[in-house]
Amino acid sequence: DSGVTQTPKHLITATGQRVTLRCSPRSGDLSVYWYQQSLDQGLQFLIQYYNGEERAKGNILERFSAQQFPDLHSELNLSSLELGDSALYFCASSVALAGDGIQYFGAGTRLSVL
Amino acid sequence: AQSVTQPDIHITVSEGASLELRCNYSYGATPYLFWYVQSPGQGLQLLLKYFSGDTLVQGIKGFEAEFKRSQSSFNLRKPSVHWSDAAEYFCAVGPGRVTTSGTYKYIFGTGTRLKVLA
Repeated sequence: DSGVTQTPKHLITATGQRVTLRCSPRSGDLSVYWYQQSLDQGLQFLIQYYNGEERAKGNILERFSAQQFPDLHSELNLSSLELGDSALYFCASSVALAGDGIQYFGAGTRLSVL
Repeated sequence: AQSVTQPDIHITVSEGASLELRCNYSYGATPYLFWYVQSPGQGLQLLLKYFSGDTLVQGIKGFEAEFKRSQSSFNLRKPSVHWSDAAEYFCAVGPGRVTTSGTYKYIFGTGTRLKVLA
C-alpha cells in the first residue's frame, strides 16, 4: 500500500459529460502529480501541484483541470468527455522540496467513456 | 530532447530463467533513474532508484539495475524470475535535483510487459 488513495476506482460515463477524480496523497507529502495511462499514449504526465499551487504542466488538455485543496487532497476535473479520454488516471505524491523526489502512486481510476 | 526508450515492448521468459530489461535515456544533465513495476490492476510501485555512487543498485523483490553513463543505459536484471514477476515495467528519469520551484517531472518509458512461462 503506497499510502496514496484514489477514488473512485472505476468510472463509467457518456461522451460530453464531466467527471471528477479525487486523490489523497500520503501523509506529509505536499506535492501531487496526475498521470494518464492509455494504450496508445503510454504514461503521460498531466499536471503537478505543490502545497496548493500549480507547479508544472504536461500534456494536459484544456478540457481538463485540477486543483489541490488546503488539506492537500487533489481533484482532477475532466469535462466534455470524448471516447479518447478513456484511460487509467493515476495520482502520485511526493515530499517534493525536501527528500529524494520519489513519487508514490495510487492504484488509479479507470475511466470509461461510452 | 529528453526521452526514455524501452526497446522491448514484450518479453517472455521461463520461470527460473534470468531477465534483463533494457532502458536507454537521453537527458541533458545527470539524471535520477528509476524502475517501477505495475502489476495488473495496480498502481506503479518503485523497484529501485539510482541517484549517485555505486552504479549497481539493488532493489526490492531481488531486482538490480546497473547505470552505465557511457551507454546512457539503466538496465534492470533479475537472476531468476518468479511467476509473480509477470507485470509491466517502466523505466523513468527525473532531474538530478528538485527544482527551487518544487517541480520534479518524471519522463517515463513506454513500458515492457513481462510474461513468465511456468
